[in-house]
Amino acid sequence: SAVISQKPSRDICQRGTSLTIQCQVDSQVTMMFWYRQQPGQSLTLIATANQGSEATYESGFVIDKFPISRPNLTFSTLTVSNMSPEDSSIYLCSVDGGAVLEQFFGPGTRLTVL
Amino acid sequence: AQTVTQSQPEMSVQEAETVTLSCTYDTSESNYYLFWYKQPPSRQMILVIRQEAYKQQNATENRFSVNFQKAAKSFSLKISDSQLGDTAMYFCASTYNAGNMLTFGGGTRLMVKP
Repeated sequence: SAVISQKPSRDICQRGTSLTIQCQVDSQVTMMFWYRQQPGQSLTLIATANQGSEATYESGFVIDKFPISRPNLTFSTLTVSNMSPEDSSIYLCSVDGGAVLEQFFGPGTRLTVL
Repeated sequence: AQTVTQSQPEMSVQEAETVTLSCTYDTSESNYYLFWYKQPPSRQMILVIRQEAYKQQNATENRFSVNFQKAAKSFSLKISDSQLGDTAMYFCASTYNAGNMLTFGGGTRLMVKP
């Protein structure tokens, strides 16, 4: 299994600012995923991040709003830019379990935008 | 594209009783994988059970079992001997390729009552 940590665990931000969320994995993984979970809703994939290549964004999500870095096989960041109250959500990173048919999730970052 | 539907937004069950959560899905893929994830108030996503579509035998994990009806594209979760710790959001999810992104249903909030 993979152990994933996220920083910060929660934050309250002002409209128009940006927040960078960090995701650290205790083992090397090929694919990392970033999901958004709006209040009371399900998880929606924002993008897939492979090390050494540009992130692949899902429909409705753009790089200018959610830039992602993947500098190595154990770390990724997601930035939420120019925030508005509609960005208030839980942001989760997950990793592919490889031979284990499972995705492992971080504990999430609860973001509130005022 | 894959879609996953959970028709029960909320359910409740008495402690020690059995409850079944419903999930239907749609996919054009011939092989795919189905999952049930649990998200307690701590926000941590926990894999409950998984099923590979090419396996006809229903998966079981202790008190958790699935009823996989491939022709009907149905994948329900049965929780036996419900415990207070089972109180959580339950998400049905699918992927067409191990290691790929997950598509989630809308979730079912389960409350286990003492």
